Amino acid sequence: KNQVEQSPQSLIILEGKNCTLQCNYTVSPFSNLRWYKQDTGRGPVSLTIMTFSENTKSNGRYTATLDADTKQSSLHITASQLSDSASYICVVSAESGANNLFFGTGTRLTVIP
Amino acid sequence: GAVVSQHPSWVICKSGTSVKIECRSLDFQATTMFWYRQFPKQSLMLMATSNEGSKATYEQGVEKDKFLINHASLTLSTLTVTSAHPEDSSFYICSARVGLAGFTGELFFGEGSRLTVL
Repeated sequence: KNQVEQSPQSLIILEGKNCTLQCNYTVSPFSNLRWYKQDTGRGPVSLTIMTFSENTKSNGRYTATLDADTKQSSLHITASQLSDSASYICVVSAESGANNLFFGTGTRLTVIP
Repeated sequence: GAVVSQHPSWVICKSGTSVKIECRSLDFQATTMFWYRQFPKQSLMLMATSNEGSKATYEQGVEKDKFLINHASLTLSTLTVTSAHPEDSSFYICSARVGLAGFTGELFFGEGSRLTVL
């Protein structure tokens, strides 16, 4: 069964600190993995998209890693800011199938001053 | 980058009425659009896949007669919540994919539409 699991479910950190969010998946055959940031009451915004051959990709203070062998991905946020408070969603695409997108349940990050 | 626009961003309606939500890809053509529902503090739940020129594919448990989806053109898909009830109150989000399914086509989301049924 194709699944995407994210951890932790929620996280509270102090402003300026780093944090790492996890995404484990069982989607097969794998096509790509995306991380999205969703502010409350808004639509998700893409942070990174990674294919099978990519191990790491950065977007400013966000760095995503992918281990296709263990089917794990992480999103590392450096020097967190209050504006980083949001839900972070991991989405994995399978290579085939009409509905080939699988969503994680998200990690809700709260950055406090 | 590509932009997906939803309208209205929020709507309040009486129980029993129907509400239409529009999803437009503003600067690209989208043969496939997706509709999601999101309850507070939960992740997105895929409701249906909207294919231009053909019938939508609904996820299990989603009533196709209640949530009518029309994808009349390559830039517009609509979701109509028919005979809305308070339990239909939710945040509805659409997305559109650039590129072919299964490839690295980017997926862009609309800003969402918050429906409140009184």
